[in-house]
Amino acid sequence: EVQLVESGGGLVQPGGSLRLSCAASGFTFSNYDMHWVRQSTGKGLEWVSTIGIAGDTYYPGSVKGRFTISRENAKNSLYLQMNSLRAGDTAMYYCVRRAHYYGSGSYYYYMDVWGKGTTVTVSS
Amino acid sequence: DIQMTQSPSSLSASVGDRVTITCRASQSISSYLNWYQHKPGTAPKLLIYAASSLQSGVPSRFSGSGSGTDFTLTISSLQPEDFAAYYCQQSYSTPMSTFGQGTKLEIK
Repeated sequence: EVQLVESGGGLVQPGGSLRLSCAASGFTFSNYDMHWVRQSTGKGLEWVSTIGIAGDTYYPGSVKGRFTISRENAKNSLYLQMNSLRAGDTAMYYCVRRAHYYGSGSYYYYMDVWGKGTTVTVSS
Repeated sequence: DIQMTQSPSSLSASVGDRVTITCRASQSISSYLNWYQHKPGTAPKLLIYAASSLQSGVPSRFSGSGSGTDFTLTISSLQPEDFAAYYCQQSYSTPMSTFGQGTKLEIK
């Protein structure tokens, strides 16, 4: 069974740090780009970061310079190092697999496997 | 950045109803549009990719259409398990991505 299991969430003070982990199983982890996506209470989904199979990384402006995504293929694991945390970072964080479909001469990317999430609370 | 706007934000419907949710992009995104279903306490689930392709295992009552800036998700006959939140997502600027604000589908 294809599965993603997040861990490492918790309560942290503003300005603090936290490292999230995601354990992948049931597929060849090294063959897939991976995302982190978050959802704050009562709000929608927000893309947080992406790492490619070659280790290339991408971030939105809201977390760039504070968050670092990484992967360890030998351990089938994805990570998110979060520094300088703010109240606005409080959310459920999901580990997500990036998949694609090739059709009509183009690649179409989508998020096909999601973990159940880990909760991060930033509060004093 | 590409902005995604869904309407309505919430919707009340009954089992057996036909429901349509709309998603509009701030610029043309061709068919780079995906739809997800999210129930509280569970992992979001991919329903539709590339605007109209049904993900394996998703019931055929779900369908997607549209291209350019305007897209729709249709549920042909609502079932009790369909009451959830629905999100569109553009992958035109992949890997950077944006979601719509969501549509909460509730039982009437």
